[in-house]
Amino acid sequence: GEDVEQSLFLSVREGDSSVINCTYTDSSSTYLYWYKQEPGAGLQLLTYIFSNMDMKQDQRLTVLLNKKDKHLSLRIADTQTGDSAIYFCAERTNSGGYQKVTFGTGTKLQVIP
Amino acid sequence: KAGVTQTPRYLIKTRGQQVTLSCSPISGHRSVSWYQQTPGQGLQFLFEYFSETQRNKGNFPGRFSGRQFSNSRSEMNVSTLELGDSALYLCASSLGDRGLAKNIQYFGAGTRLSVL
Repeated sequence: GEDVEQSLFLSVREGDSSVINCTYTDSSSTYLYWYKQEPGAGLQLLTYIFSNMDMKQDQRLTVLLNKKDKHLSLRIADTQTGDSAIYFCAERTNSGGYQKVTFGTGTKLQVIP
Repeated sequence: KAGVTQTPRYLIKTRGQQVTLSCSPISGHRSVSWYQQTPGQGLQFLFEYFSETQRNKGNFPGRFSGRQFSNSRSEMNVSTLELGDSALYLCASSLGDRGLAKNIQYFGAGTRLSVL
């Protein structure tokens, strides 16, 4: 079955880099996603990576995928106070012929000015 | 292009009542998925509708049901509300075609349901 796990909390100083980690169990995942949720809002897609890629960079965001260890990480360079939010990783898998998305528990990022 | 719209934003109900939540997807999107978000359980998948048919279902009791209309708008209904149903209910829309492996989901702002 699918299980996606994240650490619950991360605190960093403004200007430092943040690294949010995620582990998953289903090796048949096709795409992996990172979403951001600000207080009182829905989830906003930040970036995604295809399962046969190792890395994807998009401005301040770098996604690293270690498929062997089933480990996904999101690095935010030069973290700003506006990056304070909950970050969810998610994996897309094929389940009984249907594509299904399973979300992690979310990591709350606190940026200290 | 308008995003995913959920109404109402906030709801207060009492135990035993029933509630209907609405979701209007992004124009052209045919898949609508519903999620329940609580502090203790995180984001839990409820069900997915595609072209007016339920295509995928999570592990929730039958009190939770949904439907999708011909214009892809979707409603979710919860009957006989319990205190534990208090949550943020999120709706996500996507193109939904199986061949589109990326099939990115776009989320609405959610409906915050409080059951007293």
